Amino acid sequence: GAVVSQHPSRVICKSGTSVKIECRSLDFQATTMFWYRQFPKQSLMLMATSNEGSKATYEQGVEKDKFLINHASLTLSTLTVTSAHPEDSSFYICSARDSGRGSYNEQFFGPGTRLTVL
Amino acid sequence: AQSVAQPEDQVNVAEGNPLTVKCTYSVSGNPYLFWYVQYPNRGLQFLLKYITGDNLVKGSYGFEAEFNKSQTSFHLKKPSALVSDSALYFCAVRANTGGFKTIFGAGTRLFVKA
Repeated sequence: GAVVSQHPSRVICKSGTSVKIECRSLDFQATTMFWYRQFPKQSLMLMATSNEGSKATYEQGVEKDKFLINHASLTLSTLTVTSAHPEDSSFYICSARDSGRGSYNEQFFGPGTRLTVL
Repeated sequence: AQSVAQPEDQVNVAEGNPLTVKCTYSVSGNPYLFWYVQYPNRGLQFLLKYITGDNLVKGSYGFEAEFNKSQTSFHLKKPSALVSDSALYFCAVRANTGGFKTIFGAGTRLFVKA
């Protein structure tokens, strides 16, 4: 089956530092990946759509300079939280679209990354 | 604009009883509808989807959902709940007008009591 991995699963960092989160599609190619943020007991909030080889499309209200997204290959997208602050603490989840399937198919989700900024 | 409503924050049901988790949606054109389940500190797991065809969709772990176009609903159901079904359930909708943007509901926490 389609598997998406995220690394790291948990990260704790000091305020002001940058953190990079990786999202990989392990057994399929993903021209499109998505980054979500989830607050406790809340739904997923789409942050941005990451397209291989091009700039990411950010949702309204998401700072593109704060959340840098790179999708350099068909199996890897990275989210870098720059100059992290405590309010950036959250659960970040990526998902990937299998390029070989139709647009009506489900997204495949990674297990998430818990970011805690002290 | 697309939107999804899950009117219940939490659903409580006794083990062995049927369960229903409600979802209504708003989207232009015909929708693609999905249900996902999330366990603590985990990503989302796909349960089932409606694209076209039979309004009753069967999915993983004995779950099913019924698409009702007139009521714009896509309620998740299971005939006999298990304690292990306790989790957070998300309904999601995507327009079939192109693009791949999926909108998720706020989630419903299902608690199954033994």
